[in-house]
Order: sequence, then structure tokens, then C-alpha cells
Amino acid sequence: EAGVTQFPSHSVIEKGQTVTLRCDPISGHDNLYWYRRVMGKEIKFLLHFVKESKQDESGMPNNRFLAERTGGTYSTLKVQPAELEDSGVYFCASSLGSSYNSPLHFGNGTRLTVT
Amino acid sequence: GQSLEQPSEVTAVEGAIVQINCTYQTSGFYGLSWYQQHDGGAPTFLSYNALDGLEETGRFSSFLSRSDSYGYLLLQELQMKDSASYFCAVILSYNQGGKLIFGQGTELSVKP
Repeated sequence: EAGVTQFPSHSVIEKGQTVTLRCDPISGHDNLYWYRRVMGKEIKFLLHFVKESKQDESGMPNNRFLAERTGGTYSTLKVQPAELEDSGVYFCASSLGSSYNSPLHFGNGTRLTVT
Repeated sequence: GQSLEQPSEVTAVEGAIVQINCTYQTSGFYGLSWYQQHDGGAPTFLSYNALDGLEETGRFSSFLSRSDSYGYLLLQELQMKDSASYFCAVILSYNQGGKLIFGQGTELSVKP
């Protein structure tokens, strides 16, 4: 089966610009998560979708970040306007069931650099 | 809140055994997981402890002690390809969203 795919793999933008990251989960996985890792720190939770619904968005840093999952398939994460501190690697993960009974399958991440 | 602590770096030689410790503070959780990440790529699932005790999967074993808020990942017969980052993660209870909270990762370097 195809794994979790993320696009783009790298993005370099200037402060104030907009960037949209895309994640295609494994087919059939209702649960989709966004995480971010900044400069060697922990992989930090951003939000969790179950199908098209936001189950938990407690980790979203602020209202410059907007995540969508229309139709319950792929998801996008938009950062507008981007700030320097948004730089990091954004990971998407999906799972068949809830995280306590299904492992997360991660994509390779999008490395975002804001200059 | 929740927090996990693990060593930032560990170095070992090929063929040796290494233990990566993880201590955590959380009010409620389902279990402790371990993930491996090579060269900043996709983290991949290694193991999961829902109950106290040892879980063995080939050369890798993972341990959990809820009373001590402590777990570890044990890697035996180390190989060069085991050089990677290793993350422990707690799976929070349902009323906390059931999400995974990760530690900062341990960079394991295996030397010949």
C-alpha cells in the first residue's frame, strides 16, 4: 500500500507570505494528524482529524494556521502570513483506528524555511 | 500538562547493547510508544507498551513501569543501520484527546 505522502518536501518562503502544505494519508485511514518539529525539539502535536471533522486542534499555535480536510481524504495546512518562528518540519500522520490501538504512519515531512 | 524526558544523545559500538530511557509526567495515558527516525525522514513505529513489563520485537525490546513513570527502549546486537533518532511518546487518555505526545528524541550513534 502507498504510504503517507506530503507535498512539497521543501518550501522556502519570505516572512509574510502564504504557504500551503498537503498531506495524502493512507487510503482508508480516517485519522489524520499534523505534527511539527522545530530545530531538534520534540515532535509537537498540532491537530487531529477524524474523517473531515477536527477532533482536536489544541496544538495549533495561532490563527495564522488553518487546516482542512474536505471530504475526509487529503488534508491541507495553510500558514498565512508566515513568520520566522514557523520554520520547521511539518509531519503528517495517519492511522486506521484511534492512536491507542493503531500506530501512526508518518509521511516524510515538509521542511519549511521562513526567511 | 505533559512532559517527557530522554537523553539527547547516546553513542555505542556495533554489536553492543544500548538502553534509551524515557521518564514522563502525565495525568493519564493509555501507553508508551517508541518511534525511530532516520536522517530526519518519516518517524516509524517500533513498539508499544500498554501494560507494565517488557515487550520484545526481535532485537528491540521496550519496557514500561507506570508506578515509576519510566520506560526504556533496549536495542541489542547493535548495527550501523540503527544509527537514528528514537522518540518515546505517551498516548494520552481519551479525555485528553487520545493524541501522542512526543519527547525530544535521542540521537543514537553506532560506531564500528
